[in-house]
Amino acid sequence: EPEVTQTPSHQVTQMGQEVILRCVPISNHLYFYWYRQILGQKVEFLVSFYNNEISEKSEIFDDQFSVERPDGSNFTLKIRSTKLEDSAMYFCASSDWAKLFFGSGTQLSVL
Amino acid sequence: DQQVKQNSPSLSVQEGRISILNCDYTNSMFDYFLWYKKYPAEGPTFLISISSIKDKNEDGRFTVFLNKSAKHLSLHIVPSQPGDSAVYFCAAKTSYDKVIFGPGTSLSVIP
Repeated sequence: EPEVTQTPSHQVTQMGQEVILRCVPISNHLYFYWYRQILGQKVEFLVSFYNNEISEKSEIFDDQFSVERPDGSNFTLKIRSTKLEDSAMYFCASSDWAKLFFGSGTQLSVL
Repeated sequence: DQQVKQNSPSLSVQEGRISILNCDYTNSMFDYFLWYKKYPAEGPTFLISISSIKDKNEDGRFTVFLNKSAKHLSLHIVPSQPGDSAVYFCAAKTSYDKVIFGPGTSLSVIP
C-alpha cells in the first residue's frame, strides 16, 4: 500500500540553527501538507501546497518557515532559525482531495 | 477559535462494549468529515469519513453519524477491542481547503 515517508524520524538541533524536514508523498497525490503536534496538544495545520505553490498557511507558518517540492517527488519543510517552541512532532501528509494520508512524523527537538 | 471540538479528552470502555466518540463543529461550510486514529509516536491514520450529504457511514466495526442541524458527529466502535486504544481525532474540511483537526479524545479499551 502506498505510504507517505518522512525523514529523519528524529532531529535534534541547537536553537538558531536551520533544519530541513523531508517527506516523500504518495506519488499520484496532488495536495501536500505539513502539520505539527506539540507534546500534549492538538494536531495543528501549518501549510498546504498545491500546483507548486502554497495554497494556505496558518499563523504559525511565519517567515522562518518555507516549503519546497524541489524534484517532483520530495516535499520539504525548512525552518531557518529554530526556536525552542518549534520543538514538536512534524507530520507531512498528502491527499488526492479529501482523505489525508500522514507520514509517521519527524520528532524535532530544539535545545 | 476552535472550529472542531471534542469535548471529552478521554474515554474508558470495557472490551466488547460500544465506544461513542463525539465531535461538534462550528463552521457550517464544512462538507466533509473524517476520523483519524493516532498511536503514540505515529502519524494519524485515516479511519472513516462522511460527506455532508449523508447522515451515516459504516465500515466494519466503525460507524460515523452526522447530524448537520446540530453540527454534531459521532464515531461508534462496536465491539470495542483493546487494540482500539488510541487517540481519536475528528476532522473537517470544506471543498479544496485544509483539514482542521479537533483536539482529540483518548480512548482506553479495558480488557
